[in-house]
Amino acid sequence: TQLLEQSPQFLSIQEGENLTVYCNSSSVFSSLQWYRQEPGEGPVLLVTVVTGGEVKKLKRLTFQFGDARKDSSLHITAAQPGDTGLYLCAGAISGGSNYKLTFGKGTLLTVNP
Amino acid sequence: DAGITQSPRHKVTETGTPVTLRCHQTENHRYMYWYRQDPGHGLRLIHYSYGVKDTDKGEVSDGYSVSRSKTEDFLLTLESATSSQTSVYFCAISGTGEGVYNEQFFGPGTRLTVL
Repeated sequence: TQLLEQSPQFLSIQEGENLTVYCNSSSVFSSLQWYRQEPGEGPVLLVTVVTGGEVKKLKRLTFQFGDARKDSSLHITAAQPGDTGLYLCAGAISGGSNYKLTFGKGTLLTVNP
Repeated sequence: DAGITQSPRHKVTETGTPVTLRCHQTENHRYMYWYRQDPGHGLRLIHYSYGVKDTDKGEVSDGYSVSRSKTEDFLLTLESATSSQTSVYFCAISGTGEGVYNEQFFGPGTRLTVL
């Protein structure tokens, strides 16, 4: 059972386009994180969201945590080739162990120049 | 960047041989994790540690054992490697176990091929 569903699985766009990646679950999360992974490297933490409805911005990236804390989205404005990578969402299930994360399978983003 | 190293970075071995992967951290973080990453499966937790000599199983622990004799080192052992254990292995660390959120920092990974 995949607790965190990410969509789309693959996304190929042209430089300058906007995109949104989704992370959905039927479980409630006490926190949710987004990571980016480049080929041959480990995932790197981008952001943590904790409060339902919370919105965080990181330059051209906007992260939102759903009101019910069951879903999250990542929006990239004016994508650049440097945004290419695997985007992973991960969450700590509410009422579960705060030191264990459940990961989605990821969205592989390719931004073409 | 969090100080996490993994060794070796690449390894090719034969079926039935024992393999040990090492994760070393310089951050003095309490929690350490071993994941494997495979196409179509994402990151899956193998084992984790919540302190020296304190370890527990993750979702895909069969065929793997771990040891943590000091804070900075977490070893993953494949007692008798099988081809199904060909994968990329990541170590991660976390300093927070209390509160409402957890942030993990990952090492560079070890690519293991079992022939």
